[in-house]
Amino acid sequence: QKEVEQDPGPLSVPEGAIVSLNCTYSNSAFQYFMWYRQYSRKGPELLMYTYSSGNKEDGRFTAQVDKSSKYISLFIRDSQPSDSATYLCAMIRSNDYKLSFGAGTTVTVRA
Amino acid sequence: DAGITQSPRHKVTETGTPVTLRCHQTENHRYMYWYRQDPGHGLRLIHYSYGVKDTDKGEVSDGYSVSRSKTEDFLLTLESATSSQTSVYFCAIATGLSKADTQYFGPGTRLTVL
Repeated sequence: QKEVEQDPGPLSVPEGAIVSLNCTYSNSAFQYFMWYRQYSRKGPELLMYTYSSGNKEDGRFTAQVDKSSKYISLFIRDSQPSDSATYLCAMIRSNDYKLSFGAGTTVTVRA
Repeated sequence: DAGITQSPRHKVTETGTPVTLRCHQTENHRYMYWYRQDPGHGLRLIHYSYGVKDTDKGEVSDGYSVSRSKTEDFLLTLESATSSQTSVYFCAIATGLSKADTQYFGPGTRLTVL
């Protein structure tokens, strides 16, 4: 079983819809959480970084962490075709600082 | 791409040949990483470096070696390439002083081993 589970999708939504992405993890040592966006044939770029339970907003993006349930989410409001990409969750363990990634969810926003 | 360049960007090689990929950063960050990305596996750490001549293995290090003789360059070598090493390789740097700091990625090298 992978330490970080992420539904690969693909996910297709109409423009303006809310996109909801999720990851679960099994190791309670994960304490730092990130979301990366990766466009086709590009490197991943950091979208959000958080280390506490609760919500963190940045423009149209909201990252949510629930450490008790070992569950993190990314919400994209008012989605645009330019949001079409693969979204990777990532998390760092506090004991050895290992960074682990989910497999990525491919999102297409239809105009 | 956080001042990170990778070379070459694309390479096709034959089984059994040695291959070296280069990662170059312009901002003297301490931590540098090599990952490979394959469908269904996400990003997996091959090797990382925490300073000049200081390197350590990641989760998929077999068949790979690295060297860091200068702060700005981190080299990944496939001593004898195999078809299973066909992948996209990403270099990353951590911008802070701790391994808990977030990582920023280069543009990637697409390697095909025939």
